[in-house]
Amino acid sequence: KAGVTQTPRYLIKTRGQQVTLSCSPISGHRSVSWYQQTPGQGLQFLFEYFSETQRNKGNFPGRFSGRQFSNSRSEMNVSTLELGDSALYLCASKGPQRTDTQYFGPGTRLTVL
Amino acid sequence: QQQVKQSPQSLIVQKGGISIINCAYENTAFDYFPWYQQFPGKGPALLIAIRPDVSEKKEGRFTISFNKSAKQFSLHIMDSQPGDSATYFCAARTVIYGNKLVFGAGTILRVKS
Repeated sequence: KAGVTQTPRYLIKTRGQQVTLSCSPISGHRSVSWYQQTPGQGLQFLFEYFSETQRNKGNFPGRFSGRQFSNSRSEMNVSTLELGDSALYLCASKGPQRTDTQYFGPGTRLTVL
Repeated sequence: QQQVKQSPQSLIVQKGGISIINCAYENTAFDYFPWYQQFPGKGPALLIAIRPDVSEKKEGRFTISFNKSAKQFSLHIMDSQPGDSATYFCAARTVIYGNKLVFGAGTILRVKS
């Protein structure tokens, strides 16, 4: 099975712009979660989508949003970018069983100038 | 309550030695405790995971010890190798929060040859 894929891998934006990141989960996985990783804050949960519905949301401002499509692919959007949004954004997918684990993609490295 | 505290922040071990990383949690609703390994430029990869009804789980050179009463769990890497040099994260999950993983701050492991 192919792993979790994320595009693009690297992105450079300027303050005030918006950005959309994409995640394709492992085939058959319907749960997709997004995490932000920074040196200072570590790995922070952004949100989880399951069957096109947001199931859980972390403590991030409304500038961070996401959605999931019927094929389980997910996108996250960050509007009005700030310097502090520079981070590695990770997507993780999980299978349907409670005992299934989450598998992470390689991440998208976002740099805000 | 949602925090997972991880120590040490960094660790240097001689080749062939034992690496030990510790984590502690407060939320007794956590029911799944995975460990992830992350190399530079990569997403976290699942190493080993445990549920609280088991006190120890071993997979190859990697062992998780779990102490439910103390709300602590640890990762032991036996016969540490230079290729084990990476950042290790403990995490915890409860069905109450869906598939959200709460991560420890990470431990940078360096194995000297």
